[in-house]
Amino acid sequence: DADVTQTPRNRITKTGKRIMLECSQTKGHDRMYWYRQDPGLGLRLIYYSFDVKDINKGEISDGYSVSRQAQAKFSLSLESAIPNQTALYFCATSDEGRNYGYTFGSGTRLTVV
Amino acid sequence: GDSVTQMEGPVTLSEEAFLTINCTYTATGYPSLFWYVQYPGEGLQLLLKATKADDKGSNKGFEATYRKETTSFHLEKGSVQVSDSAVYFCALRAGGTSYGKLTFGQGTILTVHP
Repeated sequence: DADVTQTPRNRITKTGKRIMLECSQTKGHDRMYWYRQDPGLGLRLIYYSFDVKDINKGEISDGYSVSRQAQAKFSLSLESAIPNQTALYFCATSDEGRNYGYTFGSGTRLTVV
Repeated sequence: GDSVTQMEGPVTLSEEAFLTINCTYTATGYPSLFWYVQYPGEGLQLLLKATKADDKGSNKGFEATYRKETTSFHLEKGSVQVSDSAVYFCALRAGGTSYGKLTFGQGTILTVHP
């Protein structure tokens, strides 16, 4: 089993619909992150959570919300999807400490039509 | 704030050519530096890292040296293979108020032809 599992892998949804992307991890890390990838823009941080009770906005949180249901689960929601939210979304987890990298999931490709 | 700038791509090389992908950064404090690789249809994988000045990270024939004086972390490989075709991301993880968050460059697409 993968260390970080994202579901669904691909999703097409209509403008105005609510959609949830789910992420679970088996690394036992407290820290989890949601990133968005767009061509030529790298990865941009949407939300991050340092533990179950600590959730923080990233650089592009408008239009998104998150829920940290447990140490292992971190969900991203689009309350009312719009076409410019079409992107590749990645969940990641990390150990504490700046010397450690992140472990990423395989991504969710979301298309809003 | 923290930022990472990578050389613009895409980069196209023939097999066995020498590869350099430039990366420079701006950060407060003493960041750790990383290179990630993303193969087609997959997530990001950690390729190598360096956690202090003059450290050299290496993996799978790739190398990068943490140069504090030039704020750079350029990725190099002496002889690329077709299987190295991927997107490469430089990233930093800083301390201070940014503690724990990874900041990425925009990515460089590498294509290697036989």
